Amino acid sequence: EVQLVESGGGLVQPGRSLRLSCAASGFTFDDYAMHWVRQAPGKGLEWVSGISWNSGSIGYADSVKGRFTISRDNAKNSLYLQMNSLRAEDTALYYCAKDMRPGTTGIFDYWGQGTLVTVSS
Amino acid sequence: SYVLTQPPSVSVAPGKTARITCGGNNIGSKSVHWYQQKPGQAPVLVIYYDSDRPSGIPERFSGSNSGNTATLTISRVEAGDEADYYCQVWDSSSDPVVFGGGTKLTVL
Repeated sequence: EVQLVESGGGLVQPGRSLRLSCAASGFTFDDYAMHWVRQAPGKGLEWVSGISWNSGSIGYADSVKGRFTISRDNAKNSLYLQMNSLRAEDTALYYCAKDMRPGTTGIFDYWGQGTLVTVSS
Repeated sequence: SYVLTQPPSVSVAPGKTARITCGGNNIGSKSVHWYQQKPGQAPVLVIYYDSDRPSGIPERFSGSNSGNTATLTISRVEAGDEADYYCQVWDSSSDPVVFGGGTKLTVL
């Protein structure tokens, strides 16, 4: 059974940093691209970032480019999102999502339950 | 960047057919994927590559895509289908993954 478990969310002040983690199990992690997708309270889905199976291809939404960094450790079956210079508009539930392919096709066939990030003073 | 437009809400009686549209410029030239999200839950992929169903998704869910509109069709709607539905594409612009704004399906 595929499982994606996010952690690292919390309350953080504007301008500070936070690192999210996603622990994957139930599939061969290094065979698939992975993504972060977020959802602000009461709003729709917004793709944040994606990384290919071997970290050779990485992409970011314009809204986070230059502030967020995605990475993965295939030996630890883990995905990360380093979030710097956080803003109030980054407040959201952050989902870890598995891609259907090794490359970043943007088809998310499994999702975690999310970790909540709140940016507020 | 590419924009996907969905109606905010669709209502349908149980047993009837629901159609949720997703509009975009020449969307027929792109592959469209659909997600179902029930309250308090993570999204679930229900249709990918316009009309393919992941394993475990009922045959009542189908999709089509042509011209400027993609459509998710849910036949014989059940109360358990009540959820938000999002369309999504991969675009070559600076924001490669684009979601529609979502459609709330209400089962009357």
